[in-house]
This record gives sequence, structure tokens and C-alpha cells, in this order.
Amino acid sequence: EIVLTQSPATLSLSPGERATLSCRASQSVSSYLAWYQQKPGQAPRLLIYDASNRATGIPARFSGSGSGTDFTLTISSLEPEDFAVYYCQQRSNTITFGQGTRLEIK
Amino acid sequence: QLQLQESGPGLVKPSETLSLTCTVSGGSISSSSYYWGWIRQPPGKGLEWIGSIYYSGSTYYNPSLKSRVTISVDTSKNQFSLKLSSVTAADTAVYYCARWNGDYVSLDYWGQGTLVTVSS
Repeated sequence: EIVLTQSPATLSLSPGERATLSCRASQSVSSYLAWYQQKPGQAPRLLIYDASNRATGIPARFSGSGSGTDFTLTISSLEPEDFAVYYCQQRSNTITFGQGTRLEIK
Repeated sequence: QLQLQESGPGLVKPSETLSLTCTVSGGSISSSSYYWGWIRQPPGKGLEWIGSIYYSGSTYYNPSLKSRVTISVDTSKNQFSLKLSSVTAADTAVYYCARWNGDYVSLDYWGQGTLVTVSS
């Protein structure tokens, strides 16, 4: 099973700042990586697929990069509604998720 | 707009079988390129993929749950279902159904989730 490790566990930033979230795979997943945002009491929402493609309706401030084992989700300028938990997910063989990064208001 | 809705008992006794159904509206479950899956999230914890099914009936399960999981599809009702046997308190979670987009290699539509508690 491919293990995804997200860092940091918690990220404390202020609105307007830039957020950089990391996801590292235990072995190569090529570009088969997605990112999701989850707010309390809600289902996850797809943000990024195939490592760098924004899903329908996702603002341009969200971007993804990386391939192989190292991936990054960047939020260029944080809006108040961006504070949430973010998960990465791979589909190289079975489907696994990272443990999540909590983005909180500083 | 595609919508998914989970339904089923919110309370299941230990050792019994958890059964949930996901009803898909606004689109056909028989569309190509899409699988239909179940994901769960224990309270305060992360996401765990349970398994997926294609409209033809082909299934893929999480190896750690495979011995207890059965996912089935009913194309006439535009529904798919989950059965998880021999449940314990560790199976208490919010259960989500979702669409797996084969082109995007991701879960692009999700149900709102339903909390299932395992307790006597």
C-alpha cells in the first residue's frame, strides 16, 4: 500500500498570506494525485486532480504541482473561506488518502 | 447537477452487518468512465476508501476491509449499496458515497455523508 504523508499537520496563517501544503508518497504515484478540501460537517470537495489540474469551479488561487513522490498544494492568497482541512489522495494502485493538513487562522 | 444521497440505519449492533444505499440523481449510474464508491471517516479522523464498483458490477475493495465488504449496484434504481459485516466500534464513522471519475482519477461528486454508530 502506498502511504501518503502530509506536512505540516497544522498550518497557522492569516488571510492574504500564501499557504504551501506538502504531500509525500512512499513510492511513485506518477501524477495520479488529487487534493480535497473539507470543512466541518461537510463532505470533501475536489480541488485538484492529476496533480495540477483545477476541478470545475475552483478559484485560480488554488494550484497544485509535483510528480512522482513529492506534491504541493499552494493557495496564493488566503481567503477566510479557505481555512479548512486538506487531504491528498493517490490512485496509483489502490486508493489511499493522506492524514490531512489543518489550515487554521492565525 | 449530479447528486448522491446515502441512506440506511444510523445505529448497528456489534457483530451485525452495516447496510447503506446511495441513490444517484441528475445522471445515470451506467455512464462510462465513472465508478461509484464508498469512503468513511471516523469521528475526528481522516478518510478511508472502502471500495468502488462499475455499473457492470466490477468491484475494487480496500485490501484491509475486503473480507468484510460487499458493494453492489442496481442500475434500474440508479443506486449502489454497501454491506460491511461483523462490525465493531471501530467501524463507527461517517460513510460517504462518491463518484470516481476515471478520467480525472479522483472523486468528483460526494454525498453529504451519514453517521453510522456501532453500539449495543
